Amino acid sequence: GENVEQHPSTLSVQEGDSAVIKCTYSDSASNYFPWYKQELGKRPQLIIDIRSNVGEKKDQRIAVTLNKTAKHFSLHITETQPEDSAVYFCAAKGTSYGKLTFGQGTILTVHP
Amino acid sequence: DGGITQSPKYLFRKEGQNVTLSCEQNLNHDAMYWYRQDPGQGLRLIYYSQIVNDFQKGDIAEGYSVSREKKESFPLTVTSAQKNPTAFYLCASSNRRGESPLHFGNGTRLTVT
Repeated sequence: GENVEQHPSTLSVQEGDSAVIKCTYSDSASNYFPWYKQELGKRPQLIIDIRSNVGEKKDQRIAVTLNKTAKHFSLHITETQPEDSAVYFCAAKGTSYGKLTFGQGTILTVHP
Repeated sequence: DGGITQSPKYLFRKEGQNVTLSCEQNLNHDAMYWYRQDPGQGLRLIYYSQIVNDFQKGDIAEGYSVSREKKESFPLTVTSAQKNPTAFYLCASSNRRGESPLHFGNGTRLTVT
């Protein structure tokens, strides 16, 4: 089955800096890669996703890049703000119908 | 919240007891999922269902059971066979073949002592 590795497990930045979280996946047939943000005590919420026919997608301060050859994808947050502090999860959809495999999560802390 | 309701928010049980977690959605989604969340381990799939009266085991199904008698409901039973049941349980749904985002409920925190 699909295996997703996420790094780093914790990331601390100063407000205004950029943050980058990286994920690798094992199933070369994977075709859908969402990112979720989970604030403390709350449910995960989708922040951005990318499909395998696209190399990059951007939404305001958030961008995701996908390298299918290397089987990795990354989340980029620019001009970070304290409210960006949360746990971020990457995920990949492998060949199984409707089944997403999640990375281990990254705790992002943005210091004012 | 978001059309998926999980209840209760907190649940306490004694070891050896079965317990059922509720998940209801009004999003008209075909697919529903149960994930378990433990610190440092991300979200691990327990069971998922693509249509009514059908479900498949996820990566950590041992000690759990589910049913899907109605499109809007996907209850999870944590049985006494589950060795480490204390965790945060998240229910989710999606409307297409896995390329649409998952919508999560607010979760149930189960504590077994």
